[in-house]
Amino acid sequence: KAGVTQTPRYLIKTRGQQVTLSCSPISGHRSVSWYQQTPGQGLQFLFEYFSETQRNKGNFPGRFSGRQFSNSRSEMNVSTLELGDSALYLCASSLRQGAEAFFGQGTRLTVV
Amino acid sequence: EDQVTQSPEALRLQEGESSSLNCSYTVSGLRGLFWYRQDPGKGPEFLFTLYSAGEEKEKERLKATLTKKESFLHITAPKPEDSATYLCAVQAGVGSGGYQKVTFGIGTKLQVIP
Repeated sequence: KAGVTQTPRYLIKTRGQQVTLSCSPISGHRSVSWYQQTPGQGLQFLFEYFSETQRNKGNFPGRFSGRQFSNSRSEMNVSTLELGDSALYLCASSLRQGAEAFFGQGTRLTVV
Repeated sequence: EDQVTQSPEALRLQEGESSSLNCSYTVSGLRGLFWYRQDPGKGPEFLFTLYSAGEEKEKERLKATLTKKESFLHITAPKPEDSATYLCAVQAGVGSGGYQKVTFGIGTKLQVIP
């Protein structure tokens, strides 16, 4: 059974640009969550989608947005990149809300 | 606001030296507590879910327990391959969308020396 797939694995962007990250959940999983991980802050919750609807949102500015498609694949977008957005972005899928989450390898974003 | 605190931040053990990691939480309406293991450069790997006080789960050298205010991850006779960061997360309360949210602790970085 294939795991959670995130693309791309690594990304270097310039300040002010925008970026789109992709996540393909485990087959049959309908819940997808996104997290930002930095050395000082740990995993910070960005948002959660279930059946194409955003169910929860963390305390991040509006520059961070996401969506989920009918096949449960999800994307997150960050506009007007700042140096502080450099981080490992992790996607996790669950069979349902409240169940254990399975994480992808993450996308390492570096903003220069 | 939900809070999850893990201690210690870092732990160095000799191979075979048993110890425990702590995860204390302050949440309203705990629905589940999760333990994950994360290796450098990788996403967290699910270990256990605990739902109610008194519950225990085991997997190889790891045993997780839960009380009303904290959880422990006991590591018995650790090996170097157990070196990783161990993350605790709780599902509780209600997020902005009206559904329960998950809050992670910072993690405990475990190093097991041969």
